[in-house]
Amino acid sequence: NAGVTQTPKFRVLKTGQSMTLLCAQDMNHEYMYWYRQDPGMGLRLIHYSVGEGTTAKGEVPDGYNVSRLKKQNFLLGLESAAPSQTSVYFCASSHWTSESTDTQYFGPGTRLTVL
Amino acid sequence: QQQVKQSPQSLIVQKGGISIINCAYENTAFDYFPWYQQFPGKGPALLIAIRPDVSEKKEGRFTISFNKSAKQFSLHIMDSQPGDSATYFCAASDTNSGYALNFGKGTSLLVTP
Repeated sequence: NAGVTQTPKFRVLKTGQSMTLLCAQDMNHEYMYWYRQDPGMGLRLIHYSVGEGTTAKGEVPDGYNVSRLKKQNFLLGLESAAPSQTSVYFCASSHWTSESTDTQYFGPGTRLTVL
Repeated sequence: QQQVKQSPQSLIVQKGGISIINCAYENTAFDYFPWYQQFPGKGPALLIAIRPDVSEKKEGRFTISFNKSAKQFSLHIMDSQPGDSATYFCAASDTNSGYALNFGKGTSLLVTP
């Protein structure tokens, strides 16, 4: 049981390049999330998904796209990377119940630098 | 716009002392209030959480105090240890945005020997 895994762990991009970050969870969770963490800012929600085939925008979605074709995977794409997207990206997942949500489990993060 | 405000930004406590971190929120729709602990280079991990139907929850040395009328909640770490040195985040969520967490900016805790 690996929990939440993220690929890659580190990446350096040049301005304008594109890339995809992969998040995978083996807990059969319905909900998945992408956050970014910047110094002194806490974590901010980029996009989220409440189930396979569904996605929605969070607080800071500009410049990112997501897809959830399989329940266990949540992909985050950067179409044309900008230096402002230099950050640490965290994926999280949680189980849903009829009354509320459960614990969000976080992956180890992807450290992205855009030059 | 930060929906959860956290203080202090940093905290230094001697071993054996009590660490206290405070958070405040405005959105009365929030119904889940977790605290996460993060070590350098790692993802956040749930420490303890509370729902607004109780005013206090204790797990070992960690206690959440919740004041619904004041819209405030706090984390108390009793008998603080050097191994508790980490960044702590409070958060809040509701049914909107798929129960996504709204995080405070974090508190860097250093427990000195």
